[in-house]
Amino acid sequence: DAGITQSPRHKVTETGTPVTLRCHQTENHRYMYWYRQDPGHGLRLIHYSYGVKDTDKGEVSDGYSVSRSKTEDFLLTLESATSSQTSVYFCAIRDISYEQYFGPGTRLTVT
Amino acid sequence: SQQGEEDPQALSIQEGENATMNCSYKTSINNLQWYRQNSGRGLVHLILIRSNEREKHSGRLRVTLDTSKKSSSLLITASRAADTASYFCATVNFGNEKLTFGTGTRLTIIP
Repeated sequence: DAGITQSPRHKVTETGTPVTLRCHQTENHRYMYWYRQDPGHGLRLIHYSYGVKDTDKGEVSDGYSVSRSKTEDFLLTLESATSSQTSVYFCAIRDISYEQYFGPGTRLTVT
Repeated sequence: SQQGEEDPQALSIQEGENATMNCSYKTSINNLQWYRQNSGRGLVHLILIRSNEREKHSGRLRVTLDTSKKSSSLLITASRAADTASYFCATVNFGNEKLTFGTGTRLTIIP
């Protein structure tokens, strides 16, 4: 899987609690992305990073924050989880040719 | 907002037949990519075609790009049961580091 892992793989949490998802790469790529996948919507970009401490918003960034303190780690935080954030979350890395490589995903359920 | 829209949404064919999926997009692009997603897994990059290319091959895959019609097609020849998956097109605009995905075509190969 192109040296990219996500943790946890599954999580159930309650509305209002904070949640942090971790993406870890061993490829030393500059670009990292967080997506969510929901039925009928395909993949939608939440946030992305183009270097350590350099991040930008995607199309569905409300309610999410990210941090990248090291090249290999990209964290996605839901400050106060809501039921609408129940989804499958994918992290991806990008090489110089624009091709992206995806992690295995994290299934998050907010009850 | 979805840049790419796949057609059809679902396709079932007999093993050995060819499968064709189409993708339309709205704005000028730098490149267009196709990804495959097996059930419960992350996306896997299949092929990238640049805006100045018209056709590209990779094994049993053939991709065409018509920038005048803002459309692309993915042809899988001699389909196999293992090709059963969802297929997504994704576009990259000029000056943009983000992939925008369509909603996908669900392909089922009947043995």
